[in-house]
Amino acid sequence: DAGVTQSPTHLIKTRGQQVTLRCSPKSGHDTVSWYQQALGQGPQFIFQYYEEEERQRGNFPDRFSGHQFPNYSSELNVNALLLGDSALYLCASSFQVSQETQYFGPGTRLLVL
Amino acid sequence: GQQLNQSPQSMFIQEGEDVSMNCTSSSIFNTWLWYKQDPGEGPVLLIALYKAGELTSNGRLTAQFGITRKDSFLNISASIPSDVGIYFCAGPYGGSQGNLIFGKGTKLSVKP
Repeated sequence: DAGVTQSPTHLIKTRGQQVTLRCSPKSGHDTVSWYQQALGQGPQFIFQYYEEEERQRGNFPDRFSGHQFPNYSSELNVNALLLGDSALYLCASSFQVSQETQYFGPGTRLLVL
Repeated sequence: GQQLNQSPQSMFIQEGEDVSMNCTSSSIFNTWLWYKQDPGEGPVLLIALYKAGELTSNGRLTAQFGITRKDSFLNISASIPSDVGIYFCAGPYGGSQGNLIFGKGTKLSVKP
């Protein structure tokens, strides 16, 4: 049973650039959520995708956007990168009917220089 | 807004010891989740609790959903070196079931 996978594992960008992170949900799951985890903190919710639409959003600016594909996989895009965007970006998947029970991927470590 | 307060922030264990940690909130939660995160990895779901008073075990781990719905506890019995890591409690924020908020974590380390 394939778990949540994310790519790439690590990424280095410079300020002002744009980045795209990818996530494949656990087999059978239809809902994908994205989180940002700064060093020494718990994950913070960015947004959730279900049926290819953004359903819920946390307190993140419009520079953060996403997409969900018909096969339930998802992308997170961040534009105009800031130094403060350096973090571990986590994808979590779930069933929509039990969307609070989320399984996380290994994350993508983003460093903005 | 809702906040989850975890305690202790850190603790040191010796192999074989029992460990207890808790998570409290000023608001009511209808689900409590406990995760473990190793350095450089994503959080791994350990136990999910859905009902007040519920007591659930997963091997040497036992978690309880507090009766007031404002707290939860995680116990680890007979700790082993691979229990080292950061333990997070989490729950759905407000009315949004998919938006999880997390505590700041309890860091478990091995006693020197």
